[in-house]
Amino acid sequence: DAGITQSPRHKVTETGTPVTLRCHQTENHRYMYWYRQDPGHGLRLIHYSYGVKDTDKGEVSDGYSVSRSKTEDFLLTLESATSSQTSVYFCAIKGLITDTQYFGPGTRLTVL
Amino acid sequence: SQKIEQNSEALNIQEGKTATLTCNYTNYSPAYLQWYRQDPGRGPVFLLLIRENEKEKRKERLKVTFDTTLKQSLFHITASQPADSATYLCAPGTGRRALTFGSGTRLQVQP
Repeated sequence: DAGITQSPRHKVTETGTPVTLRCHQTENHRYMYWYRQDPGHGLRLIHYSYGVKDTDKGEVSDGYSVSRSKTEDFLLTLESATSSQTSVYFCAIKGLITDTQYFGPGTRLTVL
Repeated sequence: SQKIEQNSEALNIQEGKTATLTCNYTNYSPAYLQWYRQDPGRGPVFLLLIRENEKEKRKERLKVTFDTTLKQSLFHITASQPADSATYLCAPGTGRRALTFGSGTRLQVQP
C-alpha cells in the first residue's frame, strides 16, 4: 500500500468552516497528489507537490490550498468549505521507477 | 482540449467469459498508458502500464493493447471471475508531472 495514510477518514462539517485533510507517506516519495472523486466525474486533480514547499495547481484547484513543509506530509485545506466540496478525497504518491501512482484509502468529506 | 473516454455504462458479463474494456483518448500523445482497478470505498490500485512502443502487454489473466494510431487502449480480462467485479480506470501518461484519469468503467461479473 506504499505506506500512505489519510486523516481523517470521514468528516462532516458545516458550510463556511475551514477543513484540513492530511496525507502522510513513509517512503520518502518526491511527488504527492490530491484528487477528488465524484460520481460522473471520475478522479480530478486538485493540487500536487513535487518537493518540499513546491506545489502546483490541478484542474479543480479553486477553493483549495495545499502545503508541504516536510517530505512525508501533504496537507489539503478548504479555507471555507462549501457544499460543492462534498466528495471523496484521495491522496497519491508517484512511484520512484515509473509514473505509477499509489493511492491512499481516501477521506469522505460531507459539507452540510 | 485533452479528453479521455471510457464507457460510462456498466459492463455485465458471465463468469468465465472475456471482459473487454475500452479507453479512447483525443488531443493526446501519451508515451504510455496505465490501467487501475478501484473497488467501492477504496483508492485505485495500479494494474498494468504499457508504453507507446509496445503493442500488447500481459499479466496473468490481464491483457492490454495500445494502438497509438487509433488512440485507443483495450483492457481484457480472460476467464473472468466475480472477484474481478470493480471499476477500471485508464490513465494516458505523457511523462509530465501529473496523470489524468478516465472516469472509469464498472465491470460486473455474474456467477
